[in-house]
Amino acid sequence: GAVVSQHPSWVICKSGTSVKIECRSLDFQATTMFWYRQFPKQSLMLMATSNEGSKATYEQGVEKDKFLINHASLTLSTLTVTSAHPEDSSFYICSATTGDQETQYFGPGTRLLVL
Amino acid sequence: LAKTTQPISMDSYEGQEVNITCSHNNIATNDYITWYQQFPSQGPRFIIQGYKTKVTNEVASLFIPADRKSSTLSLPRVSLSDTAVYYCLVGSSGGNKLTFGTGTQLKVEL
Repeated sequence: GAVVSQHPSWVICKSGTSVKIECRSLDFQATTMFWYRQFPKQSLMLMATSNEGSKATYEQGVEKDKFLINHASLTLSTLTVTSAHPEDSSFYICSATTGDQETQYFGPGTRLLVL
Repeated sequence: LAKTTQPISMDSYEGQEVNITCSHNNIATNDYITWYQQFPSQGPRFIIQGYKTKVTNEVASLFIPADRKSSTLSLPRVSLSDTAVYYCLVGSSGGNKLTFGTGTQLKVEL
């Protein structure tokens, strides 16, 4: 149980384009989802927290207009990287909780390469 | 934020027991302690979670002293496939926000 999927698993795009990443909880309803970014050899950095049906809460230093998060249902959250640039190239990972936020279950991650 | 401190790296051999200790001095009353394992280019995988005393599951044990200011993840009889980064997280919806520290790179050799 508690399986989280992400799509796509990797994506290559041109600078200036937008990329959408989906995060789904497959066998449970996720009232809260989190988006992380991880650069090579570094730890995960929390970007934002989203609750179903409400606006996401972004961490300090994360541009909300650049990283659009939508959590329209209890099983789906999307992260859209708008006007992507090479410095946005990273490993993006989502996680979901069942509501109490004590345990987060992580997706497999999405590798983004912006050329 | 509940800052956690772990050793940067550890080395072990197959078949040995590995204990990774994490300190979290400012743990809040509502906070749980959760350990994750991460392989390169994969999302973290849940290992074990506890609040106090000892918790054991099919892959690991978690020891938490009475003051809860530290915790120890115990991996019995490690194998090469246990080579990974292990993260200790502390937090809860009513306490500290979950934050990833530097993690511990465990390397298991033959």
